[in-house]
Amino acid sequence: RKEVEQDPGPFNVPEGATVAFNCTYSNSASQSFFWYRQDCRKEPKLLMSVYSSGNEDGRFTAQLNRASQYISLLIRDSKLSDSATYLCVVNWPPSGNTGKLIFGQGTTLQVKP
Amino acid sequence: GAVVSQHPSRVICKSGTSVKIECRSLDFQATTMFWYRQFPKQSLMLMATSNEGSKATYEQGVEKDKFLINHASLTLSTLTVTSAHPEDSSFYICSARLAGGYRDQETQYFGPGTRLLVL
Repeated sequence: RKEVEQDPGPFNVPEGATVAFNCTYSNSASQSFFWYRQDCRKEPKLLMSVYSSGNEDGRFTAQLNRASQYISLLIRDSKLSDSATYLCVVNWPPSGNTGKLIFGQGTTLQVKP
Repeated sequence: GAVVSQHPSRVICKSGTSVKIECRSLDFQATTMFWYRQFPKQSLMLMATSNEGSKATYEQGVEKDKFLINHASLTLSTLTVTSAHPEDSSFYICSARLAGGYRDQETQYFGPGTRLLVL
Protein backbone atom coordinates (compact mmCIF):
# COMPACT_ATOMS: atom_id res chain seq x y z
CA ARG A 1 0.00 0.00 0.00
CA LYS A 2 1.27 3.46 -0.87
CA GLU A 3 2.06 5.72 2.06
CA VAL A 4 -0.20 8.45 0.69
CA GLU A 5 -2.69 7.58 -2.00
CA GLN A 6 -4.74 9.87 -4.21
CA ASP A 7 -6.89 9.48 -7.28
CA PRO A 8 -4.72 11.07 -10.02
CA GLY A 9 -7.76 12.23 -12.01
CA PRO A 10 -7.91 14.32 -14.09
CA PHE A 11 -11.05 15.97 -12.80
CA ASN A 12 -12.60 18.11 -15.52
CA VAL A 13 -15.26 20.43 -14.15
CA PRO A 14 -17.06 23.56 -15.36
CA GLU A 15 -16.55 26.91 -13.71
CA GLY A 16 -18.68 27.27 -10.59
CA ALA A 17 -18.76 23.56 -9.85
CA THR A 18 -17.98 22.00 -6.51
CA VAL A 19 -15.29 19.34 -6.57
CA ALA A 20 -13.94 17.05 -3.87
CA PHE A 21 -10.61 15.28 -3.66
CA ASN A 22 -9.85 12.36 -1.38
CA CYS A 23 -6.66 10.99 0.06
CA THR A 24 -5.76 8.07 2.30
CA TYR A 25 -2.60 7.55 4.31
CA SER A 26 -1.11 4.38 5.69
CA ASN A 27 0.66 5.40 8.89
CA SER A 28 -1.79 5.88 11.73
CA ALA A 29 0.87 7.68 13.77
CA SER A 30 1.00 10.61 11.34
CA GLN A 31 0.16 13.84 13.06
CA SER A 32 0.16 16.65 10.51
CA PHE A 33 -1.60 16.86 7.21
CA PHE A 34 -1.55 19.37 4.39
CA TRP A 35 -2.85 20.14 0.96
CA TYR A 36 -0.37 21.66 -1.47
CA ARG A 37 -1.05 23.03 -4.90
CA GLN A 38 1.38 22.57 -7.77
CA ASP A 39 1.08 24.37 -11.08
CA CYS A 40 2.65 22.91 -14.19
CA ARG A 41 6.45 22.99 -14.04
CA LYS A 42 6.42 24.93 -10.76
CA GLU A 43 7.18 24.14 -7.16
CA PRO A 44 4.43 23.08 -4.72
CA LYS A 45 2.83 25.80 -2.65
CA LEU A 46 1.05 25.25 0.64
CA LEU A 47 -2.70 25.58 0.20
CA MET A 48 -3.79 24.75 3.71
CA SER A 49 -3.07 22.64 6.73
CA VAL A 50 -5.69 20.10 7.76
CA TYR A 51 -6.83 20.04 11.36
CA SER A 52 -8.79 17.37 13.20
CA SER A 53 -11.83 19.59 13.57
CA GLY A 54 -11.84 20.42 9.89
CA ASN A 55 -11.02 23.85 8.60
CA GLU A 56 -12.12 26.26 5.95
CA ASP A 57 -10.32 28.94 4.00
CA GLY A 58 -12.63 30.81 1.68
CA ARG A 59 -13.84 28.39 -0.99
CA PHE A 60 -11.64 25.59 0.32
CA THR A 61 -12.61 23.17 3.07
CA ALA A 62 -10.37 20.42 4.41
CA GLN A 63 -11.50 17.48 6.54
CA LEU A 64 -9.59 14.81 8.41
CA ASN A 65 -10.89 11.45 9.56
CA ARG A 66 -8.23 9.85 11.73
CA ALA A 67 -10.17 6.63 12.28
CA SER A 68 -10.36 6.00 8.53
CA GLN A 69 -6.98 7.65 7.81
CA TYR A 70 -8.70 9.77 5.24
CA ILE A 71 -8.29 13.41 4.22
CA SER A 72 -10.45 15.43 1.89
CA LEU A 73 -10.40 18.78 0.13
CA LEU A 74 -13.56 20.47 -1.11
CA ILE A 75 -13.42 23.34 -3.56
CA ARG A 76 -16.61 25.33 -4.02
CA ASP A 77 -17.41 27.68 -6.90
CA SER A 78 -14.44 26.54 -8.96
CA LYS A 79 -12.49 29.19 -10.84
CA LEU A 80 -10.38 28.77 -13.95
CA SER A 81 -7.38 29.69 -11.80
CA ASP A 82 -7.99 26.65 -9.60
CA SER A 83 -6.69 24.42 -12.41
CA ALA A 84 -3.62 22.74 -10.97
CA THR A 85 -2.45 19.53 -9.33
CA TYR A 86 -3.42 19.15 -5.68
CA LEU A 87 -1.02 17.21 -3.51
CA CYS A 88 -2.05 15.47 -0.32
CA VAL A 89 0.85 15.59 2.12
CA VAL A 90 1.34 13.76 5.39
CA ASN A 91 4.13 14.10 7.88
CA TRP A 92 6.17 11.04 8.71
CA PRO A 93 6.10 10.76 12.47
CA PRO A 94 8.92 12.91 13.70
CA SER A 95 11.77 11.68 15.79
CA GLY A 96 12.99 14.83 17.49
CA ASN A 97 13.15 17.43 14.73
CA THR A 98 13.62 14.99 11.88
CA GLY A 99 10.02 14.69 10.68
CA LYS A 100 9.59 14.61 6.93
CA LEU A 101 6.73 15.06 4.51
CA ILE A 102 5.38 12.31 2.30
CA PHE A 103 3.62 13.46 -0.86
CA GLY A 104 0.79 11.78 -2.68
CA GLN A 105 1.03 11.61 -6.45
CA GLY A 106 -1.44 14.45 -6.81
CA THR A 107 -4.89 14.94 -8.27
CA THR A 108 -5.14 17.05 -11.39
CA LEU A 109 -7.99 19.52 -11.67
CA GLN A 110 -8.96 21.21 -14.91
CA VAL A 111 -11.65 23.87 -14.63
CA LYS A 112 -13.23 24.75 -17.96
CA PRO A 113 -15.20 27.86 -18.93
CA GLY B 1 5.73 34.12 3.59
CA ALA B 2 9.24 32.73 3.80
CA VAL B 3 11.25 32.78 0.57
CA VAL B 4 13.53 30.06 -0.70
CA SER B 5 15.63 30.48 -3.81
CA GLN B 6 17.36 27.93 -5.99
CA HIS B 7 20.12 28.38 -8.51
CA PRO B 8 20.34 27.60 -11.33
CA SER B 9 16.74 27.36 -12.48
CA ARG B 10 17.69 25.06 -15.31
CA VAL B 11 20.84 23.39 -16.51
CA ILE B 12 21.79 21.29 -19.50
CA CYS B 13 24.98 19.29 -19.25
CA LYS B 14 26.83 16.47 -20.90
CA SER B 15 26.81 12.99 -19.47
CA GLY B 16 29.62 12.48 -16.96
CA THR B 17 29.80 16.04 -15.69
CA SER B 18 28.89 17.19 -12.20
CA VAL B 19 26.22 19.75 -11.47
CA LYS B 20 25.83 21.81 -8.30
CA ILE B 21 22.47 23.21 -7.23
CA GLU B 22 22.17 25.82 -4.51
CA CYS B 23 19.25 26.29 -2.16
CA ARG B 24 19.03 29.43 -0.03
CA SER B 25 16.56 30.61 2.58
CA LEU B 26 16.43 34.35 1.98
CA ASP B 27 14.71 35.81 4.98
CA PHE B 28 14.85 33.14 7.65
CA GLN B 29 17.16 30.59 9.17
CA ALA B 30 16.59 26.97 8.29
CA THR B 31 18.18 24.32 10.44
CA THR B 32 16.76 21.68 8.13
CA MET B 33 16.53 21.61 4.36
CA PHE B 34 15.13 18.87 2.19
CA TRP B 35 15.97 17.79 -1.34
CA TYR B 36 13.32 16.28 -3.57
CA ARG B 37 13.23 14.93 -7.09
CA GLN B 38 10.20 14.89 -9.34
CA PHE B 39 9.96 12.95 -12.60
CA PRO B 40 7.26 13.86 -15.16
CA LYS B 41 3.74 13.05 -14.04
CA GLN B 42 4.99 11.74 -10.71
CA SER B 43 4.97 13.22 -7.24
CA LEU B 44 7.83 14.63 -5.27
CA MET B 45 10.15 12.00 -3.86
CA LEU B 46 12.28 12.92 -0.89
CA MET B 47 15.94 12.28 -1.59
CA ALA B 48 17.59 13.46 1.60
CA THR B 49 17.23 15.56 4.70
CA SER B 50 19.98 18.05 5.32
CA ASN B 51 20.73 19.43 8.78
CA GLU B 52 23.07 22.35 9.23
CA GLY B 53 26.48 21.27 10.45
CA SER B 54 25.88 17.52 10.19
CA LYS B 55 25.73 14.79 7.58
CA ALA B 56 22.66 14.48 5.46
CA THR B 57 20.23 11.62 5.94
CA TYR B 58 19.47 9.88 2.66
CA GLU B 59 16.30 8.02 1.76
CA GLN B 60 16.45 4.38 0.82
CA GLY B 61 17.68 3.90 -2.72
CA VAL B 62 19.39 7.29 -3.01
CA GLU B 63 23.14 7.02 -3.49
CA LYS B 64 24.91 9.37 -1.10
CA ASP B 65 28.13 9.26 -3.12
CA LYS B 66 26.28 10.34 -6.24
CA PHE B 67 24.15 13.06 -4.68
CA LEU B 68 26.46 15.05 -2.42
CA ILE B 69 24.78 17.38 0.01
CA ASN B 70 26.47 20.14 1.95
CA HIS B 71 24.65 22.31 4.50
CA ALA B 72 27.35 24.65 5.69
CA SER B 73 25.19 27.47 7.03
CA LEU B 74 21.68 28.13 8.28
CA THR B 75 20.72 29.68 4.94
CA LEU B 76 22.48 27.54 2.34
CA SER B 77 22.40 23.91 1.27
CA THR B 78 23.91 22.53 -1.92
CA LEU B 79 23.22 19.38 -3.89
CA THR B 80 25.86 18.13 -6.28
CA VAL B 81 24.89 15.52 -8.83
CA THR B 82 28.18 13.81 -9.58
CA SER B 83 28.88 12.16 -12.92
CA ALA B 84 25.39 12.91 -14.13
CA HIS B 85 23.72 10.55 -16.59
CA PRO B 86 20.59 10.98 -18.71
CA GLU B 87 18.50 9.06 -16.14
CA ASP B 88 19.34 11.80 -13.61
CA SER B 89 17.39 14.29 -15.72
CA SER B 90 14.62 15.51 -13.47
CA PHE B 91 13.14 18.45 -11.57
CA TYR B 92 15.09 18.94 -8.34
CA ILE B 93 13.35 20.93 -5.63
CA CYS B 94 14.61 21.98 -2.24
CA SER B 95 12.62 23.07 0.75
CA ALA B 96 13.50 24.69 4.03
CA ARG B 97 11.82 24.29 7.35
CA LEU B 98 11.43 27.20 9.72
CA ALA B 99 12.97 26.84 13.13
CA GLY B 100 10.22 27.57 15.61
CA GLY B 101 7.21 26.15 17.38
CA TYR B 102 5.56 22.80 16.74
CA ARG B 103 3.47 23.95 13.80
CA ASP B 104 6.38 25.83 12.29
CA GLN B 105 8.46 22.70 12.42
CA GLU B 106 6.07 21.02 10.02
CA THR B 107 5.83 23.80 7.46
CA GLN B 108 8.23 23.56 4.56
CA TYR B 109 8.80 26.34 2.07
CA PHE B 110 9.84 25.25 -1.37
CA GLY B 111 12.33 26.69 -3.77
CA PRO B 112 11.31 27.21 -7.40
CA GLY B 113 13.13 24.08 -8.51
CA THR B 114 15.96 23.28 -10.91
CA ARG B 115 15.37 21.46 -14.18
CA LEU B 116 18.31 19.25 -15.02
CA LEU B 117 18.73 17.78 -18.48
CA VAL B 118 21.66 15.47 -19.02
CA LEU B 119 22.47 14.79 -22.65
